[in-house]
Amino acid sequence: EPEVTQTPSHQVTQMGQEVILRCVPISNHLYFYWYRQILGQKVEFLVSFYNNEISEKSEIFDDQFSVERPDGSNFTLKIRSTKLEDSAMYFCASSANRDSANYGYTFGSGTRLTVV
Amino acid sequence: QQPVQSPQAVILREGEDAVINCSSSKALYSVHWYRQKHGEAPIFLMILLKGGEQKGHDKISASFNEKKQQSSLYLTASQLSYSGTYFCGTDKNQAGTALIFGKGTTLSVSS
Repeated sequence: EPEVTQTPSHQVTQMGQEVILRCVPISNHLYFYWYRQILGQKVEFLVSFYNNEISEKSEIFDDQFSVERPDGSNFTLKIRSTKLEDSAMYFCASSANRDSANYGYTFGSGTRLTVV
Repeated sequence: QQPVQSPQAVILREGEDAVINCSSSKALYSVHWYRQKHGEAPIFLMILLKGGEQKGHDKISASFNEKKQQSSLYLTASQLSYSGTYFCGTDKNQAGTALIFGKGTTLSVSS
């Protein structure tokens, strides 16, 4: 079963520091997403990425956030100057061509980010 | 634009049935259903595209009423393994908008 791989699984960082969260989506998927989930709460959309550019972003995805696909496999989320409220589980997801009838998202196992 | 799920929580005994609802105030293209166990990633269950189709596998099925912009997830003869938080995710069109998830419904199944 193909899977989405995220690293690291846990990251502790000092407030104000930069972090990069890494994801390897499923190889034949075309759409990539970042979501976050604050403990026990809903899964919040951050950004979607298609054809090497951002296709949609939420209000949460402000100037401190950026995404990149530096090569053909990795998809990264950078948080430039972390705040305490950025502490959350960050999920990467990917999905197939939306013309298919079954473009369910496959989520990675997440990176738990703790800002201290 | 966030879909509204109800109920917030359900407690069942093994073998009992449950229905989880998801509704939106906006026209929908599709509704996805996911299950998340504690500390794990959400797992895709099924997708329903506009057209009012019903889908299912095993004892879990779902319907999508496009006119009412509602979807319901049906869990019959529940098993312990069904415990978790169920999220519906909705999108507005095929052109690439991302899923927006509801707040989730926590299902607890006991023996």
